[in-house]
Order: sequence, then structure tokens, then C-alpha cells
Amino acid sequence: DGGITQSPKYLFRKEGQNVTLSCEQNLNHDAMYWYRQDPGQGLRLIYYSQIVNDFQKGDIAEGYSVSREKKESFPLTVTSAQKNPTAFYLCASSSRTGENEQFFGPGTRLTVL
Amino acid sequence: GDSVTQMEGPVTLSEEAFLTINCTYTATGYPSLFWYVQYPGEGLQLLLKATKADDKGSNKGFEATYRKETTSFHLEKGSVQVSDSAVYFCALSDRGSGGYNKLIFGAGTRLAVHP
Repeated sequence: DGGITQSPKYLFRKEGQNVTLSCEQNLNHDAMYWYRQDPGQGLRLIYYSQIVNDFQKGDIAEGYSVSREKKESFPLTVTSAQKNPTAFYLCASSSRTGENEQFFGPGTRLTVL
Repeated sequence: GDSVTQMEGPVTLSEEAFLTINCTYTATGYPSLFWYVQYPGEGLQLLLKATKADDKGSNKGFEATYRKETTSFHLEKGSVQVSDSAVYFCALSDRGSGGYNKLIFGAGTRLAVHP
């Protein structure tokens, strides 16, 4: 089955530590995205990538970093510079053609202890 | 800039009641419009979409019509079930330069359906 996987589902981190969230897709999509969701709020875009080896900052990129070495993978690193990292993180992908819809993974809930 | 405004929740209904969740948008171009649904602890699933004015998207008994004159995309269902309890997000997509389709989301509306 085609889809997007994110791991782990739950992640706990101590303050001052970097942590990397995994996102893999087998939909053959060129574009991938990372969003942050806080309780009772909509989604905010962190980073996006339209093609391998290229990515751009979204609306709230400070304290985050990404890489796009393979088409299927778009890992997100939450660095110690992120002031308030506790949130639900969602990865998505889309085709560069078609009707603009994005497909989402199941999410990773990050808690900073 | 582009934006999406949804009615605030929570919306609480009894089973078999009629549902409307209002969504209005502001956009400079001709966006595609979407409704996504999020069940507790899960990611977002595309519920329905419409790509041009007067299009009606429908899925699982839910419907929404792209109204350019009122810049609206209200979600409706004739008879809700307990299993429809979730958070619903309205979103618009405007394809930018290079083919990148940025999604702009509303804040979400929580629906609770009681037996």
C-alpha cells in the first residue's frame, strides 16, 4: 500500500537535546512538507521540499533543520534552539502535477521533559 | 495574504442531526479548496475537494460547494454519526512558482456527535 510513514509515534526529549523525526513516503511524490500542530490550532508550515537536494523555509523554520537526500525521505531535526518544541508534527507529500492535494502521515508527538 | 476562516467549535450534535461547518477564504488567485478530517491522535485525511467555482466536492455523505461569489466552502452532512466526531480543517491551495502548492489551513472545528 502506498502511503506516508512517520516514526516514532511518541518521542520524549530532554531540554538541550537535538532530536530527529523520520518521514518516508512511497507515493513517488516530488514534494514533501513538515507542519507543526499545537493544541486547538491549525497547522503551520515548518519546511518544504519540491525536489531532492532542495528545500525552503516555511513560516516557522527557526530552530528546525531538514535534509532531502532521497526522494522518499524528508527527516526533520528539532534543535535545542527551538524554544517551545512540544507539539504534534505532521509530514505530508504531494505530486507536482494534479490538483494540489497533500497526503499526510500519522504524525509524531514530541514532548520535551 | 491568503487566509482561511472557520467557525469556532466545538460543535456538539446529536446523532442524525444536520451538520454545517462554515468556511470562508481570502485569496488573490483561483485556489483549490479542501476539507480535511483529523481523528484523535492521527494525521489528516483528505475528506473532499473542489478545484474551481461551482464545483461540489462530496465523500462519505459530506458535501461542500465552491462559492466564488461569497468566497465560501461550507461543509455539510445531512445526518451525522458518532463516528464523524473529529476535527475538521478547511484549507486552500494556491499553486505558486515552480509548481509548489502551499496549503493554508483554517484553525479547525471540533465536532462531537452524541448518541
